[in-house]
Amino acid sequence: GENVEQHPSTLSVQEGDSAVIKCTYSDSASNYFPWYKQELGKGPQLIIDIRSNVGEKKDQRIAVTLNKTAKHFSLHITETQPEDSAVYFCAATSTYNQGGKLIFGQGTELSVKP
Amino acid sequence: ETGVTQTPRHLVMGMTNKKSLKCEQHLGHNAMYWYKQSAKKPLELMFVYSLEERVENNSVPSRFSPECPNSSHLFLHLHTLQPEDSALYLCASSQSPRGPNTGELFFGEGSRLTVL
Repeated sequence: GENVEQHPSTLSVQEGDSAVIKCTYSDSASNYFPWYKQELGKGPQLIIDIRSNVGEKKDQRIAVTLNKTAKHFSLHITETQPEDSAVYFCAATSTYNQGGKLIFGQGTELSVKP
Repeated sequence: ETGVTQTPRHLVMGMTNKKSLKCEQHLGHNAMYWYKQSAKKPLELMFVYSLEERVENNSVPSRFSPECPNSSHLFLHLHTLQPEDSALYLCASSQSPRGPNTGELFFGEGSRLTVL
């Protein structure tokens, strides 16, 4: 089955700097890779996703890149702000083989210091 | 009410108690999920219901018993739990659990369970 590894587990950056979180997956059949943000006391919320037919996707200050050959994908946050502080989870699934069952990484706690 | 609502937000119970967690979604979705979130561990999928039929049961101990009376409501019945079951239990819903158009998961805020 699919296994997703996420690094780092904690990340601290200064406001305005960039933050990068990396994930690797094991199942070459995986074709959908969402990222969720979980703020304190709240449930995870989808912030961006990417499918295997593209290599990069951007949405304002966040971007996700996918390397299918190496089986890894990354979340990039530029010009970080204190409100970006949260736990971020990557996930992977094969929408054809696993019925959309998401396998999550362990999470990265991002702290943005003003 | 919008989104996914979970009650109670906090629950403390002894190992011999019986309690239930409730989830309600107001998004018109047809799939609902229970996840367990423990510190420093990935989100663990427990159960999936699609159109009120259980389609996934990830080897969860029988002391956890789900119930989905309709597509908008999901319960997790708890009995004779262990201290290691203390965690945040998250409910989620999506438009569809299967097929090429994987639906975005919408999570509730969770029920924080402490087993004494």
